[in-house]
Amino acid sequence: EVQLVESGGGIVQPGGSLRLSCAASGFTFSSHWMHWVRQAPGKGLVWVSRIDVDGSSTIYADSVKGRFTISRDNTKNTLYLQMNSLRAEDTAVYYCARGLSPSEANDYWGQGTLVTVSS
Amino acid sequence: QSALTQPASVSGSPGQSITISCTGTSSDVGGYNYVSWYQQHPGKAPKLMIYEVSNRPSGVSNRFSGSKSGNTASLTISGLQAEDEADYYCSSYTSSSTWVFGGGTKLTVL
Repeated sequence: EVQLVESGGGIVQPGGSLRLSCAASGFTFSSHWMHWVRQAPGKGLVWVSRIDVDGSSTIYADSVKGRFTISRDNTKNTLYLQMNSLRAEDTAVYYCARGLSPSEANDYWGQGTLVTVSS
Repeated sequence: QSALTQPASVSGSPGQSITISCTGTSSDVGGYNYVSWYQQHPGKAPKLMIYEVSNRPSGVSNRFSGSKSGNTASLTISGLQAEDEADYYCSSYTSSSTWVFGGGTKLTVL
C-alpha cells in the first residue's frame, strides 16, 4: 500500500525557517518525481515545487522561488521541503504528492502538515 | 502563473449529471493533454479522479469523465450521488514546466 506521511509542520515566526519531511513507503520511491502542494486555510490548492527522481532537477512556483528548497534522500525514501524567510502568506497545509508519469498528475497524497507563520 | 478558472459552485440533484469547466490558456490547458482533476472532501487530502484529460485511475467510478476543447477542460459527473458532494480542482502542466491548479469548484448535491 502506497503511503506518504508528512511531518515537521508547526508555528514559526515571520522570517523563520522550517523543514518538512515526507516519508514514503509501498512503492519504489526512487522511480517517481515528487511534488509539494499547499492549501491555505479555506482556500484552494497551489502547486509549490517538483523534484525529479535523483534530485538533479527541481522547479518552484514563483511565490516560493529563492526561499524554499526541495530535496530527497532515496536511501531513506524521504522527500523534504526546506522553507526559509517564511511569510504570513505561507501559512497552509503542505501536502507531498507522488507524480504519475508522464503528466505528473498526483496519484497519491499524504495527509498534510500544517505550517502557521505568525508572531 | 495565474490559476485556471473554474466556477465557484455547481449543484445538481441525485441522479442528474453536472459538468465543471476549467479554463486556461494555450500555455497550459490548451497546449498539453496533461489536465487532471481532483476531488477533496472537507478535512481530507485530494484524490485523483481524472488524469491526462480523460483517463480514470483504477478504482474511480466510471460516472466521472473528462474532456477538453481548446483552452477549456471539463469534468462531467453522471448519476450524481450524495457522496460526490465535495470540492473539485483541475490542474494542468504549463509551458514554464510548472503545474497550475484551478481555484476549485464546490459541488452541492441537492
